[in-house]
Amino acid sequence: GAGVSQSPSNKVTEKGKDVELRCDPISGHTALYWYRQSLGQGLEFLIYFQGNSAPDKSGLPSDRFSAERTGGSVSTLTIQRTQQEDSAVYLCASSSPQGGANTGELFFGEGSRLTVL
Amino acid sequence: AQTVTQSQPEMSVQEAETVTLSCTYDTSESDYYLFWYKQPPSRQMILVIRQEAYKQQNATENRFSVNFQKAAKSFSLKISDSQLGDAAMYFCAYRQGAQKLVFGQGTRLTINP
Repeated sequence: GAGVSQSPSNKVTEKGKDVELRCDPISGHTALYWYRQSLGQGLEFLIYFQGNSAPDKSGLPSDRFSAERTGGSVSTLTIQRTQQEDSAVYLCASSSPQGGANTGELFFGEGSRLTVL
Repeated sequence: AQTVTQSQPEMSVQEAETVTLSCTYDTSESDYYLFWYKQPPSRQMILVIRQEAYKQQNATENRFSVNFQKAAKSFSLKISDSQLGDAAMYFCAYRQGAQKLVFGQGTRLTINP
């Protein structure tokens, strides 16, 4: 697609339920990133994929959080047994392969707003 | 670890005037990128301007320019002729190679008509 696409745009869930957030990066972008942004706060790094592997998942806050990427394209962020402190906007970004026309820029989706009641 | 600091949580400026947003960062690397991103209420992160560390010349994009001081590890954003549409959260960010973007805490910019 033309840009990074995320779904759902908004998700309201009950405490203890599992949720899945989806990210479809720009075609051809090999790197994919997940960030979390709590209300009025900065962006907290969660995990980074290069292709289907995750060289850096240091930002995942607990073992309730996991992510996968298949076919070097779509990624899913899963949060199990959601807690109220998980409420935030989850942003996905992608970037093109290093070198060539790469400018270092990350291209962001519009995010998925998660509210845990 | 690299860190990015924005010391101004909020700034305001009169429409048509100039405002400067501050950013400092900490790194031991010599080759990296610096960015300013804008986030309006729509949540979409939009790239405003980028600077490659090996370039001494300050980047400019229309009304937006940076003052990049590599030795001081400073990267400020100047917005000239401020417009109502410039109102947003502004984030300074650092990136080295293919690694993650490291963001500052952001500066909320208000434009007064």
